[in-house]
Amino acid sequence: DADVTQTPRNRITKTGKRIMLECSQTKGHDRMYWYRQDPGLGLRLIYYSFDVKDINKGEISDGYSVSRQAQAKFSLSLESAIPNQTALYFCATSAGLSTDTQYFGPGTRLTVL
Amino acid sequence: AQKVTQAQTEISVVEKEDVTLDCVYETRDTTYYLFWYKQPPSGELVFLIRRNSFDEQNEISGRYSWNFQKSTSSFNFTITASQVVDSAVYFCALGTGFQKLVFGTGTRLLVSP
Repeated sequence: DADVTQTPRNRITKTGKRIMLECSQTKGHDRMYWYRQDPGLGLRLIYYSFDVKDINKGEISDGYSVSRQAQAKFSLSLESAIPNQTALYFCATSAGLSTDTQYFGPGTRLTVL
Repeated sequence: AQKVTQAQTEISVVEKEDVTLDCVYETRDTTYYLFWYKQPPSGELVFLIRRNSFDEQNEISGRYSWNFQKSTSSFNFTITASQVVDSAVYFCALGTGFQKLVFGTGTRLLVSP
């Protein structure tokens, strides 16, 4: 089984709908991250969490919210989806040291019509 | 501010050719970490290598090699004897404090038979 899983893998929704993307990990890592990937822009950080009680905004947090339900679970919500949030979303995890590598989930392809 | 530049948007080679992917970074931090990730057509992000700023030793792993030069702020990636399975988008990333990664925009490598 994959160490970092994301659900759903693909989602099509309509403008104004609320949507939640979920991430689970079995790596035992403390730190979790949400990124979005847009063509030609690479990956940009949305939110990150160093533990259950520590959540921080990233580079592009507007329009998004997160919830760290447990060490192993980190959810990303779009309260009212808009078309320019159409992107590939990645969850990542790393252990508790600043030197640690981030490992990514398989990604969720979200389309907002 | 941290920045990663991958000037090569797309590279096309024929199988068995050697190819080098360029990565130039900017940071004022004295301690930092550089990464390469591979994104095959299936979309997931696969970790390839991490290099610490205090370790300029080059690394070779099979057909892959990495050349880290602090003097030119570069961390280039060479694939020797490329294969069709190497076709992917390759991302260079820079990590500094709090393990937040800044990604380049990626280089798409197309290896034709």
